[in-house]
Amino acid sequence: DVKVTQSSRYLVKRTGEKVFLECVQDMDHENMFWYRQDPGLGLRLIYFSYDVKMKEKGDIPEGYSVSREKKERFSLILESASTNQTSMYLCASSLTTTEQYFGPGTRLTVT
Amino acid sequence: GESVGLHLPTLSVQEGDNSIINCAYSNSASDYFIWYKQESGKGPQFIIDIRSNMDKRQGQRVTVLLNKTVKHLSLQIAATQPGDSAVYFCAEKVGAQKLVFGQGTRLTINP
Repeated sequence: DVKVTQSSRYLVKRTGEKVFLECVQDMDHENMFWYRQDPGLGLRLIYFSYDVKMKEKGDIPEGYSVSREKKERFSLILESASTNQTSMYLCASSLTTTEQYFGPGTRLTVT
Repeated sequence: GESVGLHLPTLSVQEGDNSIINCAYSNSASDYFIWYKQESGKGPQFIIDIRSNMDKRQGQRVTVLLNKTVKHLSLQIAATQPGDSAVYFCAEKVGAQKLVFGQGTRLTINP
């Protein structure tokens, strides 16, 4: 079974802090994705990566950056956290675009 | 821009009945449409996809129907069980690697 793990299930940070969310997959997938999920808005793509050191902006990249130094690990970085970044963050990996495997999510609260 | 919407935010069905979850999409250029299921506390899980040149595809207890004329996608679940309780998301593939998700429909099963 594909396993996607995220570093924290719950995280509380203060406004202005730098926040790192880590994601690791164990299936040698090329593609990795970061989404945020908010009530009534579904999942929105922040960034994705189709290879090591490669990244592409998704639909809502403002305020975020990413890093992919190793194939199995994809990090999401909030340079200066703000309250409007309070959300559920979901990481996914895939071989094909349609069948993505998601981690359990990190619920981030910024106070 | 792309958008994927759902007809109803919630759906309640009797255990054993068939469930039909509907979705409207706007991007006629999408080559794949996909359904995901998200159970409470978990990340979304791939259910089934359908290529745009098909109008029906069946899986285990699920059928996806695609009507390109009216840009409508539906997921039918046969003999709904308590384990089917979840939020269901439709999504469309945009470009080579992106998915655009709808807002989700919460399916509740009544005993």
